[in-house]
Amino acid sequence: NAGVMQNPRHLVRRRGQEARLRCSPMKGHSHVYWYRQLPEEGLKFMVYLQKENIIDESGMPKERFSAEFPKEGPSILRIQQVVRGDSAAYFCASSPGARHPIYTFGSGTRLTVV
Amino acid sequence: ELKVEQNPLFLSMQEGKNYTIYCNYSTTSDRLYWYRQDPGKSLESLFVLLSNGAVKQEGRLMASLDTKARLSTLHITAAVHDLSATYFCAVDVGTASKLTFGTGTRLQVTL
Repeated sequence: NAGVMQNPRHLVRRRGQEARLRCSPMKGHSHVYWYRQLPEEGLKFMVYLQKENIIDESGMPKERFSAEFPKEGPSILRIQQVVRGDSAAYFCASSPGARHPIYTFGSGTRLTVV
Repeated sequence: ELKVEQNPLFLSMQEGKNYTIYCNYSTTSDRLYWYRQDPGKSLESLFVLLSNGAVKQEGRLMASLDTKARLSTLHITAAVHDLSATYFCAVDVGTASKLTFGTGTRLQVTL
């Protein structure tokens, strides 16, 4: 059981470039969540997805950020035209669903914008 | 808007001592989670508390939940250096919808 897999572990982007972060949930988990952690802070919810559906995106910035969880393949968090303030650790979590409210976190992607 | 507050934010304690971390939250919920995070690492699940009065223990850590007081505690007994980390509580108010995290408590156990 491989757990929640995120890649890349570290990502460096220049201002204005695009960042793509990937998350494969645990086997049997159909719910995916993305969180952002700024240095010395707690995690902040960004978006909650199920296969092919965005369930809750109340934590996503209105511009430049998007997320998807296609029928096949990993969930993708996409940040367009990155700025220095986007530098953070981005964590993905997965869960089996409402009847089993257990969240398992991936190792995170540390994005640095230079 | 749900608010989750932890205190203290920083805790330095000697090995062998006992201490308690508090987690208060502002909205009714009966699902409370405790996580541990080492520097530069991901979150490790410690406890999942799913009902009022729930108490769970693992080694030197014990967590409890009082949903009426909207309070959870993480008690550390006879601390050891290996417990040094940041501890987060998180609350889930929906139906497996999302977690709202506390600010974290950075624990440093000194010899």
